[in-house]
Amino acid sequence: AQTVTQSQPEMSVQEAETVTLSCTYDTSESNYYLFWYKQPPSRQMILVIRQEAYKQQNATENRFSVNFQKAAKSFSLKISDSQLGDTAMYFCAFMKLRDSGYALNFGKGTSLLVTP
Amino acid sequence: DTGVSQDPRHKITKRGQNVTFRCDPISEHNRLYWYRQTLGQGPEFLTYFQNEAQLEKSRLLSDRFSAERPKGSFSTLEIQRTEQGDSAMYLCASSLAGSYQETQYFGPGTRLLVL
Repeated sequence: AQTVTQSQPEMSVQEAETVTLSCTYDTSESNYYLFWYKQPPSRQMILVIRQEAYKQQNATENRFSVNFQKAAKSFSLKISDSQLGDTAMYFCAFMKLRDSGYALNFGKGTSLLVTP
Repeated sequence: DTGVSQDPRHKITKRGQNVTFRCDPISEHNRLYWYRQTLGQGPEFLTYFQNEAQLEKSRLLSDRFSAERPKGSFSTLEIQRTEQGDSAMYLCASSLAGSYQETQYFGPGTRLLVL
C-alpha cells in the first residue's frame, strides 16, 4: 500500500513571503501521479498542481511550484508571494496507475495560515 | 461547465437510521469516486465507478454501505443502520478516463452527524 506523509501539521507565513510544504510518499510503483489539493475552511477541495512521475521537469502553476525528487520520494509544494486567500488545508495525494481505479491516497494535510 | 454537486450538504440523523447521499458528477466524466474525510484527516477512498460499473471497493466500505450509479450518471451512497463512527464528511469526485493525469474534481461534500 502507498503511504503519504505530510510532516508539518501546521504552518504560518506572512503575506507576500514564500513557504514550502513537505510531502513524502512510499511506493514500489515506477509510474504514478502526484497532486496537491487545497481545502479552504468550509469549502471544497480544489486542485492546486499535479505532477507525472516520469516527467523530470517540476510542475508550475502561477505562484505554485513543486520540487519533485523521485529517488527521494519527495514532492514539496512552494507557494510564492503568499496571499491571504492561500489560507487553507493543503493535502498531498498519490495516484497509482493500474488496477486501483486511480483512487487518490491522501496525506493528513498541512494547515497553512497566511497572516497580514 | 458545472462542477460536481452533492446533496444534501448536511445531514443529522439518529443512530440506527438509514441515510442516502447523492452525487452529480461533471457531465462528461465517466469515473466517479466516493471518499470519507474525518476531522483532521485527509480523505480516504471508499469506492469507484467507471460508468455504471462499481470497479473497486475499499475495506472501509462495510456491508452497511452501498453505492450505486445507475445509467452511469449520478451516484448514491447509502449507509444503513448508522453508527456514531459514521460521522464524517462524505466527498464525491469525478474524472474523465484518459484525461490529463486523471485529475479528479471534488464536490462540496455531505457532512453527516450521527447522534
